[in-house]
Amino acid sequence: SQELEQSPQSLIVQEGKNLTINCTSSKTLYGLYWYKQKYGEGLIFLMMLQKGGEEKSHEKITAKLDEKKQQSSLHITASQPSHAGIYLCGADKGANNLFFGTGTRLTVIP
Amino acid sequence: GAGVSQSPSNKVTEKGKDVELRCDPISGHTALYWYRQSLGQGLEFLIYFQGNSAPDKSGLPSDRFSAERTGGSVSTLTIQRTQQEDSAVYLCASSSILGVGYTFGSGTRLTVV
Repeated sequence: SQELEQSPQSLIVQEGKNLTINCTSSKTLYGLYWYKQKYGEGLIFLMMLQKGGEEKSHEKITAKLDEKKQQSSLHITASQPSHAGIYLCGADKGANNLFFGTGTRLTVIP
Repeated sequence: GAGVSQSPSNKVTEKGKDVELRCDPISGHTALYWYRQSLGQGLEFLIYFQGNSAPDKSGLPSDRFSAERTGGSVSTLTIQRTQQEDSAVYLCASSSILGVGYTFGSGTRLTVV
């Protein structure tokens, strides 16, 4: 079965610092989703990547999918307390069925 | 509605009791998904509906779990004879057939005592 590994599991950064979260798959990804979860707010869709080498940005968050489509990175520039939460990568294994990594808990210290 | 609505937001129940969790998807979204997030674990897929039918029930943990969807809209996840290991956050998501993202509800936090 396909697994998604996220690293690090937990991250604490000072406000203003840049950070990167990685998501690695054991198999080729055909759709990679990044979500952010804040308690009580459910999961918020950030972006989806499909093509090898694809890169998308949303405000200060950039996500990339490598050429082999087995690893994605999420990069936050100049982090803010509002970026704090749990970041989840998810992959599509067909039939609109997503599965997820265990998440990365991000804490931003003001 | 504007988003995916789940109720209740919190549920505490005694071991052995039945519970019903409700999900109201975004209007027009044909696909509806149930996931479970246990403490320290990633999201676990439970069941998926396309319209009113569930093509994939393989994720349901046991025969105590069942789900239905009526009118292509609201779905209920029922857990019979709850056990302590059922304690988790149950998340519902919906997507449109043409969409590229999934919209999740805020979840129902179930605690079995």
